[in-house]
Amino acid sequence: NAGVTQTPKFQVLKTGQSMTLQCAQDMNHEYMSWYRQDPGMGLRLIHYSVGAGITDQGEVPNGYNVSRSTTEDFPLRLLSAAPSQTSVYFCASSSPGQGRNTIYFGEGSWLTVV
Amino acid sequence: KQEVTQIPAALSVPEGENLVLNCSFTDSAIYNLQWFRQDPGKGLTSLLLIQSSQREQTSGRLNASLDKSSGRSTLYIAASQPGDSATYLCAGAGGTSYGKLTFGQGTILTVHP
Repeated sequence: NAGVTQTPKFQVLKTGQSMTLQCAQDMNHEYMSWYRQDPGMGLRLIHYSVGAGITDQGEVPNGYNVSRSTTEDFPLRLLSAAPSQTSVYFCASSSPGQGRNTIYFGEGSWLTVV
Repeated sequence: KQEVTQIPAALSVPEGENLVLNCSFTDSAIYNLQWFRQDPGKGLTSLLLIQSSQREQTSGRLNASLDKSSGRSTLYIAASQPGDSATYLCAGAGGTSYGKLTFGQGTILTVHP
């Protein structure tokens, strides 16, 4: 059981480049989300999905796109990277009613935009 | 908009001490409150989840309480150990938005031998 898998672990981008952060979970969870973590700011929600084909914006969605074509995958796209998007990105999945500790996080993706 | 605050920002204690981490939130219409642990360079691990209808949850040496009326949650760690050193984060899921979490900025805990 791999849980939540994020790739890549580390990435350096030039301003204006595009890339996709991948997130996959094998727990058949309906809910998936992306957060970014910045020093002094805590974790902030970027985008959110309650199931395949359904996405919603979080607190800081600008500059990011998402789609949810399958239950397992929830990629995060940066269309034109900016230095302000330098951060650590975490993907999470959850499913209500599966028990006490039902939110699982990936190991994180460290992104630097130069 | 839900806001979550954690106090203190950092805490250093000797091994064996009992300690309390504090979390406050502004919106009492909270669906659940969760405590996480984060080790350096790692993701978050869920420690305890308290549903809005519950007052507390316990797991081993950890006990978390929730008081919706005062907008507060505490994480109690008994008999602290050096292995407990990490950043502890609390997060609230508001209203019907299960899974959309608002995080506090965390408490960095150091337990020294």
